[in-house]
Formats: sequence, C-alpha cells, structure tokens
Amino acid sequence: EAQLVESGGGLVQSGGSLRLSCAASGFTFSRYWMNWVRQAPGKGLEWVANIKEDGSERYYVDSVKGRFTISRDNAKNSLYLQMNSLRAEDTAVYYCALLRNVWGKGTTVIVSS
Amino acid sequence: QAVVTQEPSLTVSPGGTVTLTCGSSAGAVTSGHYPYWFQQKPGQAPRTLIYDTSNKQSWTPARFSGSLLGGKAALTLSGAQPEDEAEYHCLLSYTGARWVFGGGTKLTVL
Repeated sequence: EAQLVESGGGLVQSGGSLRLSCAASGFTFSRYWMNWVRQAPGKGLEWVANIKEDGSERYYVDSVKGRFTISRDNAKNSLYLQMNSLRAEDTAVYYCALLRNVWGKGTTVIVSS
Repeated sequence: QAVVTQEPSLTVSPGGTVTLTCGSSAGAVTSGHYPYWFQQKPGQAPRTLIYDTSNKQSWTPARFSGSLLGGKAALTLSGAQPEDEAEYHCLLSYTGARWVFGGGTKLTVL
C-alpha cells in the first residue's frame, strides 16, 4: 500500500526555521513529481511547492519563494521542505502528496509572532 | 497568479444530483489544466477523487464524475449519500508545473 508519512512540524518563532520530511513507501518514489500542500486553520488547501522526479525542476507558490526549498533523496525515498524566515501566515498543516493518489496525514507547523 | 473559483457551499438532498464547478480567472478551464478534485472530511487529509479532468481512482464511488462544462471543470455527484458530506477542493495546473487550488466547496447532504 502506498503511504506518505510527514514529520518535523512544531512550534517555532517568527523568523525561525524548520525542516519537514516525508517518508514514502509502497510505490516507486523516484518515478513521480512530489508536492507539498498546506492548509491554514479553517482555510482551504494551498499548493506550496513541487519537485520533478530527478530533482531537476522545482516550483513554488509566490508567497514562499526565496524562503522555502523543496528537495528529495530518491535513495532514501524521502521528500523535504526546508522552511526559513517563517512568518505567522505559514502556520498550517503541511501535507506531502503525490497528487494523483497518495496523501500523508500531515504535520502541523505553528509560527508564533 | 491565477485565481481558481469554486462555490463556497452547496446543498443536495439525499439521492439528488449536484454539480460543483471550478473556474479560472485566466480564462476557460481546459484539459490542459489537468483538473483534479479532492474530497476532505473534517480532521482528515484530502483524498483524490478525480484526476486529469475525468479519471477516477479505484476508491472513487461511481456516483462521482468529472468533466469540463461551460469553460469550467465540473464534479457531478449523482445519487448523493450522507457520507458524501464533505469539503471538495479543485486543483488546476498552470505554466511551469505550478498548481493552484480553488477555495473549496462545502457540500451538505440534507
């Protein structure tokens, strides 16, 4: 069964950093674009970033460009999101997703101002 | 960045039919936007129902169908069940492999 498990969330002060991880299993991770999607409390989903199968292309929503970096390690079947210069508006549940069919349960990031 | 629009809320009677739509501020939605539809229930992660306009996942009930309708992506639910009460999110692809979600539609089965 395909599965994604996020980790690394927590409480951080404004301006701080966090690194989220996503462990993939049950499918050939290296064959797929992978995504980070977030959901602020009581709000809708927001696509944050994605990365091509081999890591050669990466795209970001404008609000995180220059602050967040998506990366992957296909040997470890893992996806990452390095988040720097965090702001209160980055507070959300962060999901790792293979959009077509696999979502993690999410990890919560709270940025205190 | 384009804005993707969905109905904030809709209500359907049990056994009834309802269509949710997904529009783009950049113009007509086409198959080239690779429309997705996700279902999310309170406290749960989203679940993919439809991808690439009309393709279903193995777990997608047959009563759900995806299409393009009047320049928008559409999700039609025929024969609504109480368990279909949820938030439905659409997602569209734009240039450079960027994606934009709609604001979500809260569907009530009543």
